[in-house]
Amino acid sequence: DIQMTQSPSCLSAFVGDRVTITCRASQSISTYLNWYQLKPGKAPKLLIYTASTLQSGVPSRFSGSGSGTDFTLTITNLQPEDLATYYCQQSYYTSYTFGQGTKLEIK
Amino acid sequence: QVQLEESGPGLVKPSQTLSLSCSVSGVSIRSSGYYWSWIRQHSGKGLEWIGNMYYSGSTYYNPSLKSRITISVDTSKNHFSLQMNSTTAADSAIYYCARAGPADAFDIWGQGTLVTVSS
Repeated sequence: DIQMTQSPSCLSAFVGDRVTITCRASQSISTYLNWYQLKPGKAPKLLIYTASTLQSGVPSRFSGSGSGTDFTLTITNLQPEDLATYYCQQSYYTSYTFGQGTKLEIK
Repeated sequence: QVQLEESGPGLVKPSQTLSLSCSVSGVSIRSSGYYWSWIRQHSGKGLEWIGNMYYSGSTYYNPSLKSRITISVDTSKNHFSLQMNSTTAADSAIYYCARAGPADAFDIWGQGTLVTVSS
């Protein structure tokens, strides 16, 4: 299996800040990297697919970049509703795997 | 608007079979280009992909769970199901159904259903 390692595991920032979450794959996955937002009691939400493509309806303050093994999710102008846990996922190999998650807290 | 909704028992006894169903609305489960998936999240932990199914019957399972799971589809009811046998407390989790679309990204998810394996 491809291992996905996210950092940091927890992150705290102020409204209006710019935050970056990184995701590293144990081997090259080209750009087959997706990002999700999870909030308790709600359906998880796809934010970014193929590393940098914004899913329809997702605010443009979310962006993604990277290829190969190293990827980033950036949130600019952080909003209170961005309080959530964020996961990366590789879809290069059918045995899909996720990162361990980054819990984002708003100060 | 595409929606997915999980249903099934919230409590399963150890060694028994966990059975969940996912009702799909707003799109035909026979739509080409989509896989129908199960994913779970253990309490306070990350996400684990369980398996995918294409409406034609092709299945892809997580190797670590493959011996215990079956994913099936009922196109007449527009739903798909998960069966997991020989359950233990380690199978207690929130179970999500999801649709895998372009680039196998999970673009639509259900809200999840909590399953506890306990006597």
